[in-house]
Amino acid sequence: DAGVTQSPTHLIKTRGQQVTLRCSPKSGHDTVSWYQQALGQGPQFIFQYYEEEERQRGNFPDRFSGHQFPNYSSELNVNALLLGDSALYLCASSPVGGEQFFGPGTRLTVL
Amino acid sequence: RKEVEQDPGPFNVPEGATVAFNCTYSNSASQSFFWYRQDCRKEPKLLMSVYSSGNEDGRFTAQLNRASQYISLLIRDSKLSDSATYLCVVNSYSGGGADGLTFGKGTHLIIQP
Repeated sequence: DAGVTQSPTHLIKTRGQQVTLRCSPKSGHDTVSWYQQALGQGPQFIFQYYEEEERQRGNFPDRFSGHQFPNYSSELNVNALLLGDSALYLCASSPVGGEQFFGPGTRLTVL
Repeated sequence: RKEVEQDPGPFNVPEGATVAFNCTYSNSASQSFFWYRQDCRKEPKLLMSVYSSGNEDGRFTAQLNRASQYISLLIRDSKLSDSATYLCVVNSYSGGGADGLTFGKGTHLIIQP
Protein backbone atom coordinates (compact mmCIF):
# COMPACT_ATOMS: atom_id res chain seq x y z
CA ASP A 1 0.00 0.00 0.00
CA ALA A 2 1.61 3.24 -1.20
CA GLY A 3 -0.21 5.44 1.27
CA VAL A 4 -1.15 9.00 0.37
CA THR A 5 1.02 10.47 -2.36
CA GLN A 6 1.35 14.09 -3.45
CA SER A 7 3.03 15.82 -6.35
CA PRO A 8 5.11 17.77 -6.86
CA THR A 9 7.19 17.74 -3.67
CA HIS A 10 8.44 21.29 -4.16
CA LEU A 11 7.28 24.15 -6.33
CA ILE A 12 8.40 27.72 -6.88
CA LYS A 13 6.02 30.24 -8.42
CA THR A 14 5.82 34.01 -8.74
CA ARG A 15 3.05 36.30 -7.56
CA GLY A 16 -0.03 36.28 -9.77
CA GLN A 17 0.63 32.83 -11.19
CA GLN A 18 -1.62 29.81 -10.82
CA VAL A 19 -0.68 26.43 -9.37
CA THR A 20 -2.15 22.92 -9.34
CA LEU A 21 -1.23 20.38 -6.70
CA ARG A 22 -2.15 16.71 -6.89
CA CYS A 23 -3.03 14.02 -4.40
CA SER A 24 -3.63 10.29 -4.66
CA PRO A 25 -5.42 8.83 -1.65
CA LYS A 26 -4.60 5.71 0.26
CA SER A 27 -6.17 2.59 -1.21
CA GLY A 28 -9.75 2.16 -0.02
CA HIS A 29 -10.18 5.82 0.96
CA ASP A 30 -12.83 7.92 -0.75
CA THR A 31 -12.57 11.24 1.09
CA VAL A 32 -9.79 13.77 0.49
CA SER A 33 -9.09 16.85 2.59
CA TRP A 34 -6.61 19.62 1.90
CA TYR A 35 -4.71 21.67 4.48
CA GLN A 36 -2.33 24.63 4.38
CA GLN A 37 0.49 24.74 6.91
CA ALA A 38 2.44 27.97 7.16
CA LEU A 39 5.83 27.93 8.87
CA GLY A 40 5.48 27.61 12.62
CA GLN A 41 1.72 27.07 12.48
CA GLY A 42 -0.58 24.10 12.63
CA PRO A 43 -2.30 22.92 9.45
CA GLN A 44 -5.38 24.94 8.45
CA PHE A 45 -8.33 23.16 6.80
CA ILE A 46 -8.99 24.32 3.23
CA PHE A 47 -11.73 21.96 2.00
CA GLN A 48 -12.83 18.36 1.80
CA TYR A 49 -14.02 16.33 -1.17
CA TYR A 50 -16.29 13.32 -1.18
CA GLU A 51 -18.06 11.73 -4.14
CA GLU A 52 -16.44 14.32 -6.43
CA GLU A 53 -18.07 17.21 -4.59
CA GLU A 54 -16.77 19.79 -2.14
CA ARG A 55 -18.44 18.82 1.09
CA GLN A 56 -16.91 21.18 3.63
CA ARG A 57 -14.82 24.32 3.31
CA GLY A 58 -12.63 26.24 5.70
CA ASN A 59 -12.01 29.97 5.77
CA PHE A 60 -10.14 30.30 2.49
CA PRO A 61 -10.92 32.64 -0.44
CA ASP A 62 -12.34 31.52 -3.75
CA ARG A 63 -8.84 31.64 -5.23
CA PHE A 64 -8.53 28.18 -3.70
CA SER A 65 -10.50 25.58 -5.61
CA GLY A 66 -10.36 21.87 -6.03
CA HIS A 67 -11.55 18.81 -7.79
CA GLN A 68 -11.98 15.14 -7.07
CA PHE A 69 -11.88 12.55 -9.82
CA PRO A 70 -13.82 9.27 -10.10
CA ASN A 71 -10.73 7.37 -8.88
CA TYR A 72 -10.84 9.55 -5.70
CA SER A 73 -7.64 11.41 -6.53
CA SER A 74 -7.81 15.16 -6.08
CA GLU A 75 -6.34 18.46 -7.21
CA LEU A 76 -5.94 21.75 -5.39
CA ASN A 77 -5.79 24.87 -7.56
CA VAL A 78 -4.70 28.26 -6.34
CA ASN A 79 -5.12 31.29 -8.61
CA ALA A 80 -3.51 34.73 -8.43
CA LEU A 81 -0.82 33.57 -6.02
CA LEU A 82 0.19 35.85 -3.17
CA LEU A 83 3.39 35.81 -1.15
CA GLY A 84 1.30 34.66 1.81
CA ASP A 85 0.33 31.49 -0.04
CA SER A 86 3.83 30.14 0.55
CA ALA A 87 3.31 27.09 2.74
CA LEU A 88 3.29 23.32 2.97
CA TYR A 89 0.12 21.97 1.39
CA LEU A 90 -1.02 18.71 2.90
CA CYS A 91 -3.51 16.25 1.52
CA ALA A 92 -5.21 13.76 3.82
CA SER A 93 -7.36 10.83 2.81
CA SER A 94 -9.81 8.81 4.85
CA PRO A 95 -12.72 6.46 4.58
CA VAL A 96 -15.98 8.26 5.37
CA GLY A 97 -15.79 9.45 8.97
CA GLY A 98 -12.55 7.60 9.53
CA GLU A 99 -9.00 8.49 10.50
CA GLN A 100 -7.26 10.92 8.16
CA PHE A 101 -3.87 9.87 6.83
CA PHE A 102 -1.63 12.64 5.58
CA GLY A 103 0.60 12.70 2.55
CA PRO A 104 4.14 14.14 2.65
CA GLY A 105 2.94 17.49 1.34
CA THR A 106 3.90 19.91 -1.39
CA ARG A 107 6.08 22.82 -0.36
CA LEU A 108 5.04 25.90 -2.32
CA THR A 109 7.21 28.99 -2.43
CA VAL A 110 5.80 32.16 -3.96
CA LEU A 111 8.36 34.80 -4.92
CA ARG B 1 -9.98 33.54 20.38
CA LYS B 2 -8.27 30.68 18.54
CA GLU B 3 -10.32 27.50 18.17
CA VAL B 4 -7.58 25.28 19.59
CA GLU B 5 -4.93 26.70 21.89
CA GLN B 6 -1.84 24.91 23.14
CA ASP B 7 0.96 25.57 25.56
CA PRO B 8 3.65 27.71 24.00
CA GLY B 9 6.93 25.93 23.33
CA PRO B 10 9.56 24.84 23.01
CA PHE B 11 9.73 22.41 25.92
CA ASN B 12 13.31 21.34 26.69
CA VAL B 13 13.35 18.33 29.01
CA PRO B 14 15.99 15.75 29.95
CA GLU B 15 15.70 12.19 28.76
CA GLY B 16 13.65 10.10 31.17
CA ALA B 17 11.57 13.00 32.42
CA THR B 18 7.78 13.23 32.36
CA VAL B 19 6.31 15.99 30.23
CA ALA B 20 2.73 17.24 30.02
CA PHE B 21 1.01 19.16 27.24
CA ASN B 22 -2.27 20.99 27.65
CA CYS B 23 -4.78 22.20 25.11
CA THR B 24 -8.12 24.00 25.19
CA TYR B 25 -10.74 24.19 22.47
CA SER B 26 -13.51 26.71 21.93
CA ASN B 27 -16.12 24.82 19.88
CA SER B 28 -18.37 22.98 22.31
CA ALA B 29 -19.78 21.01 19.35
CA SER B 30 -16.43 19.28 18.85
CA GLN B 31 -16.88 15.55 19.01
CA SER B 32 -13.53 13.92 18.29
CA PHE B 33 -10.18 14.71 19.80
CA PHE B 34 -6.68 13.68 18.88
CA TRP B 35 -3.00 14.24 19.43
CA TYR B 36 -0.86 14.23 16.31
CA ARG B 37 2.90 14.17 16.13
CA GLN B 38 4.82 16.03 13.44
CA ASP B 39 8.54 15.59 12.87
CA CYS B 40 10.55 18.37 11.26
CA ARG B 41 9.55 18.84 7.61
CA LYS B 42 7.31 15.77 7.70
CA GLU B 43 3.56 15.24 7.63
CA PRO B 44 1.48 14.99 10.81
CA LYS B 45 0.82 11.46 12.05
CA LEU B 46 -1.85 10.36 14.47
CA LEU B 47 -0.37 9.66 17.90
CA MET B 48 -3.59 8.79 19.68
CA SER B 49 -7.25 9.56 19.92
CA VAL B 50 -8.54 11.07 23.16
CA TYR B 51 -11.57 9.77 24.99
CA SER B 52 -13.55 11.15 27.92
CA SER B 53 -12.62 8.14 30.02
CA GLY B 54 -8.95 8.79 29.40
CA ASN B 55 -6.75 6.43 27.49
CA GLU B 56 -3.22 5.14 27.62
CA ASP B 57 -0.86 3.79 25.00
CA GLY B 58 2.44 2.69 26.50
CA ARG B 59 4.21 5.76 27.84
CA PHE B 60 1.50 8.10 26.54
CA THR B 61 -1.67 9.04 28.41
CA ALA B 62 -4.38 11.33 27.06
CA GLN B 63 -7.23 12.91 28.97
CA LEU B 64 -10.31 14.85 27.89
CA ASN B 65 -12.47 17.10 30.05
CA ARG B 66 -15.52 18.08 28.01
CA ALA B 67 -16.93 20.37 30.70
CA SER B 68 -13.73 22.44 30.72
CA GLN B 69 -13.04 21.87 27.00
CA TYR B 70 -9.56 20.77 27.94
CA ILE B 71 -7.29 18.06 26.54
CA SER B 72 -3.99 16.82 27.90
CA LEU B 73 -1.15 14.54 26.89
CA LEU B 74 1.35 13.05 29.31
CA ILE B 75 4.57 11.42 28.17
CA ARG B 76 6.40 9.34 30.76
CA ASP B 77 10.04 8.24 30.64
CA SER B 78 10.69 10.46 27.64
CA LYS B 79 13.05 9.23 24.91
CA LEU B 80 15.24 11.17 22.52
CA SER B 81 12.96 9.94 19.73
CA ASP B 82 10.01 11.76 21.33
CA SER B 83 11.48 15.05 20.11
CA ALA B 84 8.87 16.46 17.72
CA THR B 85 5.99 18.91 17.51
CA TYR B 86 2.79 17.73 19.18
CA LEU B 87 -0.44 18.99 17.67
CA CYS B 88 -3.74 19.09 19.53
CA VAL B 89 -6.60 18.40 17.10
CA VAL B 90 -10.38 18.51 17.32
CA ASN B 91 -13.05 17.49 14.84
CA SER B 92 -16.64 18.61 14.57
CA TYR B 93 -19.46 17.07 12.62
CA SER B 94 -22.10 18.86 10.57
CA GLY B 95 -24.27 18.10 7.61
CA GLY B 96 -24.02 14.40 8.34
CA GLY B 97 -20.29 14.17 7.87
CA ALA B 98 -17.00 14.94 9.55
CA ASP B 99 -15.65 18.44 9.13
CA GLY B 100 -12.03 19.13 8.51
CA LEU B 101 -9.68 18.74 11.43
CA THR B 102 -8.91 21.86 13.48
CA PHE B 103 -5.30 21.93 14.61
CA GLY B 104 -3.60 23.86 17.34
CA LYS B 105 -0.37 25.63 16.59
CA GLY B 106 1.62 22.78 18.07
CA THR B 107 4.12 22.51 20.89
CA HIS B 108 7.72 21.74 20.07
CA LEU B 109 9.33 19.20 22.38
CA ILE B 110 13.08 18.74 22.62
CA ILE B 111 14.39 15.82 24.66
CA GLN B 112 17.96 16.37 25.74
CA PRO B 113 20.40 13.54 26.47
